[in-house]
Amino acid sequence: AQSVTQLGSHVSVSEGALVLLRCNYSSSVPPYLFWYVQYPNQGLQLLLKYTSAATLVKGINGFEAEFKKSETSFHLTKPSAHMSDAAEYFCAVIRSGAGSYQLTFGKGTKLSVIP
Amino acid sequence: DAGVTQSPTHLIKTRGQQVTLRCSPISGHKSVSWYQQVLGQGPQFIFQYYEKEERGRGNFPDRFSARQFPNYSSELNVNALLLGDSALYLCASSPGRLGNNYEQYFGPGTRLTVT
Repeated sequence: AQSVTQLGSHVSVSEGALVLLRCNYSSSVPPYLFWYVQYPNQGLQLLLKYTSAATLVKGINGFEAEFKKSETSFHLTKPSAHMSDAAEYFCAVIRSGAGSYQLTFGKGTKLSVIP
Repeated sequence: DAGVTQSPTHLIKTRGQQVTLRCSPISGHKSVSWYQQVLGQGPQFIFQYYEKEERGRGNFPDRFSARQFPNYSSELNVNALLLGDSALYLCASSPGRLGNNYEQYFGPGTRLTVT
């Protein structure tokens, strides 16, 4: 069954520093992978998605992620952190079958940005 | 265009009571999914509906039920509420059952507190 594991429940970076949030997936078939962001008291916003078209995926707000099959990873990066990036980030994989599909989420990584 | 809307925003109920949560998908979207997000965790899949039929169900007890209306809006019902049902309930819509590379758009959620 498809699943994802996020390494690190809390990551702190200084403003302007590199952001790296880690996600590893487990899937017996080529996966569809997503990163979502959740600001306090809000729903989820899609940052980017991998659908096998390209291994380096660019998303909104300067984020990007690289699909590495050999490492079963889909880490999220941003070259320079802004204060507005402070939020919780979720990696997710699609589980599909019997005519339906569902997102299976990791436990999330809370990103803090230090001025 | 309006995004996914959910009502109410917040709700407080007592153990044993019943609750109904509502969701309106993005115009033109025919599929609605429900997720439960307990504090500190990633969202967990509850149901997916497409064209008014249940297409997928997560690992939730029968106290949870849902339906989808001809205008594609949806309701989630939870009976005999338990303290553990306290969570943020998220609704997500997508264009079709397997449409658009499985992309789902989330609403702001309904915060349910059971006392």
